[in-house]
Amino acid sequence: SQQGEEDPQALSIQEGENATMNCSYKTSINNLQWYRQNSGRGLVHLILIRSNEREKHSGRLRVTLDTSKKSSSLLITASRAADTASYFCATDAGGNNRLAFGKGNQVVVIP
Amino acid sequence: NAGVMQNPRHLVRRRGQEARLRCSPMKGHSHVYWYRQLPEEGLKFMVYLQKENIIDESGMPKERFSAEFPKEGPSILRIQQVVRGDSAAYFCATSGRTRTDTQYFGPGTRLTVL
Repeated sequence: SQQGEEDPQALSIQEGENATMNCSYKTSINNLQWYRQNSGRGLVHLILIRSNEREKHSGRLRVTLDTSKKSSSLLITASRAADTASYFCATDAGGNNRLAFGKGNQVVVIP
Repeated sequence: NAGVMQNPRHLVRRRGQEARLRCSPMKGHSHVYWYRQLPEEGLKFMVYLQKENIIDESGMPKERFSAEFPKEGPSILRIQQVVRGDSAAYFCATSGRTRTDTQYFGPGTRLTVL
């Protein structure tokens, strides 16, 4: 079964607003990662949070991890038009560090 | 330090032809992962290789697909006798000295089968 199911699937916000997206997974993990993908491009690694961490910050990004609920959230604060992209969470639950991705959240930031 | 490189970026093949996709890891990286992304989908794991070894091929289709990572040169994902359903974006990701390191992705190869 597929790990990592983001919710909501699509989000449209005004520049300056915050964007929050969620991800759930099904089995135990060592870490969870968030990636960004601009249309037609490769994936850019945003942040990795380990299973013993509850929250992590990187610039305007804030990631939380709740292993009891098997869920994670990504918050982008003070969004910019350049944040328009698809955001994927990925877990390493498959072993050998192979990543299992969700279907992604499409975020559109309107200038 | 150059990132992960993939070529070609776009590849068009007719049904029945062969497709060869190349991935050159970041300097110092010895772990290579291949993923496939169908339209409007997330990435799906295909195969994990280290130099000259296939470590995990649990995501590879049983037929027509193969991968290698020779001692010298890039990793190759080879698809024989392509079919329209093989049309997708193929990404490789590489990581450093340990298998738990962050994976860095290449720009992908977009394969179109006519």
